[in-house]
Amino acid sequence: GAVVSQHPSRVICKSGTSVKIECRSLDFQATTMFWYRQFPKQSLMLMATSNEGSKATYEQGVEKDKFLINHASLTLSTLTVTSAHPEDSSFYICSAMTGGEETQYFGPGTRLLVL
Amino acid sequence: AQTVTQSQPEMSVQEAETVTLSCTYDTSENNYYLFWYKQPPSRQMILVIRQEAYKQQNATENRFSVNFQKAAKSFSLKISDSQLGDTAMYFCAFMKLSGYALNFGKGTSLLVTP
Repeated sequence: GAVVSQHPSRVICKSGTSVKIECRSLDFQATTMFWYRQFPKQSLMLMATSNEGSKATYEQGVEKDKFLINHASLTLSTLTVTSAHPEDSSFYICSAMTGGEETQYFGPGTRLLVL
Repeated sequence: AQTVTQSQPEMSVQEAETVTLSCTYDTSENNYYLFWYKQPPSRQMILVIRQEAYKQQNATENRFSVNFQKAAKSFSLKISDSQLGDTAMYFCAFMKLSGYALNFGKGTSLLVTP
């Protein structure tokens, strides 16, 4: 149980284009999903918290107009990197929480490379 | 803000031996959760063990156990009978009960050698 998927696992795009990453909870309903960013050999940094049906809460320093988050259902959250630039290249990881269990389960991550 | 400190960037242990990874944290909260996550080369984050701060009993999961010292704000992970598959980056994480966001330490890279 508690399986989280992400799609795509890897994406290469040109500078200036937008990229959408999907995060799905496969066997549970996730009222809250989280988006993290991880640079090579570094820890995970929280970008935003996404609650189903409401606007995401962004961490300080994260541009909400650049990283659009939508949590339209209890099993799906999306992160759209708009007008991507090479400095947005990173590993993006989502996590989801089950109701009543204060534990985050992580997706396998998406490697984004912006050329 | 909560800070999580992992003072050992890298550790090495021989197969079948025991190793302890250290973690300290700073918080003014009384109730919270602590976690150890494992990130192997695949980069998939895997939950290793979870501890509720209000529970005095240390959590255990098979070969993994913790030493939770609330007053000292310490949360170390002990891996017994180390296996080659335990080779990974290990992250200690703190979770407040409001918002449930995770604050991660910088990680400890563990290498298990034959």
